[in-house]
Amino acid sequence: SQKIEQNSEALNIQEGKTATLTCNYTNYSPAYLQWYRQDPGRGPVFLLLIRENEKEKRKERLKVTFDTTLKQSLFHITASQPADSATYLCALYYGGSQGNLIFGKGTKLSVKP
Amino acid sequence: DTAVSQTPKYLVTQMGNDKSIKCEQNLGHDTMYWYKQDSKKFLKIMFSYNNKELIINETVPNRFSPKSPDKAHLNLHINSLELGDSAVYFCASSQDDEEETQYFGPGTRLLVL
Repeated sequence: SQKIEQNSEALNIQEGKTATLTCNYTNYSPAYLQWYRQDPGRGPVFLLLIRENEKEKRKERLKVTFDTTLKQSLFHITASQPADSATYLCALYYGGSQGNLIFGKGTKLSVKP
Repeated sequence: DTAVSQTPKYLVTQMGNDKSIKCEQNLGHDTMYWYKQDSKKFLKIMFSYNNKELIINETVPNRFSPKSPDKAHLNLHINSLELGDSAVYFCASSQDDEEETQYFGPGTRLLVL
């Protein structure tokens, strides 16, 4: 079965630095990959989507890369701020007649002032 | 206006009881979902409904049954609640496009005693 790993449960960084979160998957490649942010006591919020034929996607201070050879996506937050502190989830979509979005367990990011 | 809403926000009940959680979306989306997030924060899909038709049914006990009275609502009924059902249940919706970006509700925190 498909497996998704976000290899850090928690990541602590200093304000102003770049946060880099990793999402690895096994078996077959997804049609696309999404990243979500989840704050405590709230539902996940969509941030970015990247397709299998795209290498990189940017949105303001966010950047996502997708390497289908390494079976890995990297999520970067540049010039991080304490307000960026949250749990970040990656989700992979495999399409087919019964589309299925599979979520990773998330990485909890803490940005210290 | 809240895009995806759920009621109740908190639900504390005894083992063996039957309970329902309601979900409504005002985004005009075609597909609605129920997810379970356990104590380890792992978010797993339970059901999805597209145009009142169940299209995904993961390995969920048949004590759980989704009911969709119309396109904007997807309720979750749980019979004979067990301790292991304690979790946060999220409703979500998405447009019927190839990206299936999920819009999540605030979650219902269920505690079975």
